[in-house]
Amino acid sequence: QITLKESGPTLVKPTQTLTLTCTFSGFSLSSDVVGVNWIRQPPGKALEWLALVYWDDDKEYNPSLKNRATIAKDISKSQVVFTMTNMDPADTATYYCAHSSGWRTDHWGQGIPVTVSS
Amino acid sequence: EIVLTQSPGTLSLSPGERATLSCKASQSVTNNYLGWHQQKPGQPPRLIIYGASKRPTGIPDRFSGSGSETDFTLTISRLEPEDFAVYYCQQYAHPPITFGGGTKVEIK
Repeated sequence: QITLKESGPTLVKPTQTLTLTCTFSGFSLSSDVVGVNWIRQPPGKALEWLALVYWDDDKEYNPSLKNRATIAKDISKSQVVFTMTNMDPADTATYYCAHSSGWRTDHWGQGIPVTVSS
Repeated sequence: EIVLTQSPGTLSLSPGERATLSCKASQSVTNNYLGWHQQKPGQPPRLIIYGASKRPTGIPDRFSGSGSETDFTLTISRLEPEDFAVYYCQQYAHPPITFGGGTKVEIK
């Protein structure tokens, strides 16, 4: 059974760096064609994909983040860490991590709400 | 970047009726790498269709997906009360992965 859980701060100030951790179980991030994504959803709005780290440590980012984001995996801890610099109130959203297998996004965490406010 | 446009924005139907949701891509989605996710209020999304037409284990067969290249459709043959939700299409063929704006299926 695949499970993912997001953790981190729920309130950050503008210009600060956000660091979120996805702790997962039920799969190995060293298995072929497996990946972990970060996806966010502003209140009342649509989903926006942010980043993906693959089993082979290849990484993809949404260009709209303009180099603000970093994703990294720690296989020994079964974790994926996502950081985003220079946070702005427009980054207020629920942040989800999600498992990918064979490229499709097929299991989601419960999400963590993050508010950016001074 | 592949832009996905979903229509209609809102679909008002009664339980038992058929729902047809559209997702149009700005360029061809190769290998039919197109998925549909269902999201209910306060919950994370749930994958209900992948590869344009395949159902994950546990998804009822009243959900079906069709289409190819730039035109995709999600059909719910007979709406059950638990099917009223927002549905998002997603393409994972070409980075960056993108989602459509969503279709809300509401009770009429």
